[in-house]
Amino acid sequence: ETGVTQTPRHLVMGMTNKKSLKCEQHLGHNAMYWYKQSAKKPLELMFVYNFKEQTENNSVPSRFSPECPNSSHLFLHLHTLQPEDSALYLCASSKVGSGDTQYFGPGTRLTVL
Amino acid sequence: AQSVTQLDSQVPVFEEAPVELRCNYSSSVSVYLFWYVQYPNQGLQLLLKYLSGSTLVKGINGFEAEFNKSQTSFHLRKPSVHISDTAEYFCAVSDQGNQGGKLIFGQGTELSVKP
Repeated sequence: ETGVTQTPRHLVMGMTNKKSLKCEQHLGHNAMYWYKQSAKKPLELMFVYNFKEQTENNSVPSRFSPECPNSSHLFLHLHTLQPEDSALYLCASSKVGSGDTQYFGPGTRLTVL
Repeated sequence: AQSVTQLDSQVPVFEEAPVELRCNYSSSVSVYLFWYVQYPNQGLQLLLKYLSGSTLVKGINGFEAEFNKSQTSFHLRKPSVHISDTAEYFCAVSDQGNQGGKLIFGQGTELSVKP
C-alpha cells in the first residue's frame, strides 16, 4: 500500500459514542497533520505532529484527542461530539525540511447525529 | 500572519477553453506556494508547488502556475481544459522558515467544465 491511507472512509456516530479515526503513511515522512474540512469553509488545521511530538493544537475542543504512537501512524479519538463536528477529516504527512510538501489521505466523512 | 485569497469561488468554463484560477497571498516572510486539487469525495492531490528557482512551475495534468513576488500572486493556468478537470482547487502557502510547516489554505475555487 502506498501514500496516505485513512480508515474508516465513512463514519456515523451518535453524540454519546466514542470512536477513533486512523491514518497511516507509507512515505517515510516524519510529520503528520489532522485537518477539518467543512462545507463552504477553508480547511482548518487541527493538530501537527513532528517526530511524534505535538507541535500545534489549533484551539481544538478537548472532545478531539490526537495520538501519534510513531511517525507512520496518527489517530484522532472522538467522544461526545456535536452535530457541528460533522465534516470531512483529512490526514496529511510531510518530510520536515524538504519544502514541507504535504500529501493527503482520502479523508473520513464523519456524520454526528 | 499569512493569508491566502482565492479571488473566485466558482469558475464555469467550456471544454477546451483556457482557464486561470487566481490566488493572492500575504506574508511578511519568504514562502512556499502550492496548488492542490480535490475531486468529489476524495482527499487533496498536489498539482504543483513553488519552492525556489524558476517562477514558472509546471505540474500534473497540464497545469502550470507563475509566482509573481511583486504582486504576491500564484495564479494557476491551463491552456485547454477537459471535463475531467471539474473539481475544487486550493491554493496554499507555508512559511519557508517554519520547519514542520503549517499550510494556510485559501477558500477554494470550484472549476466546472461544461461540454
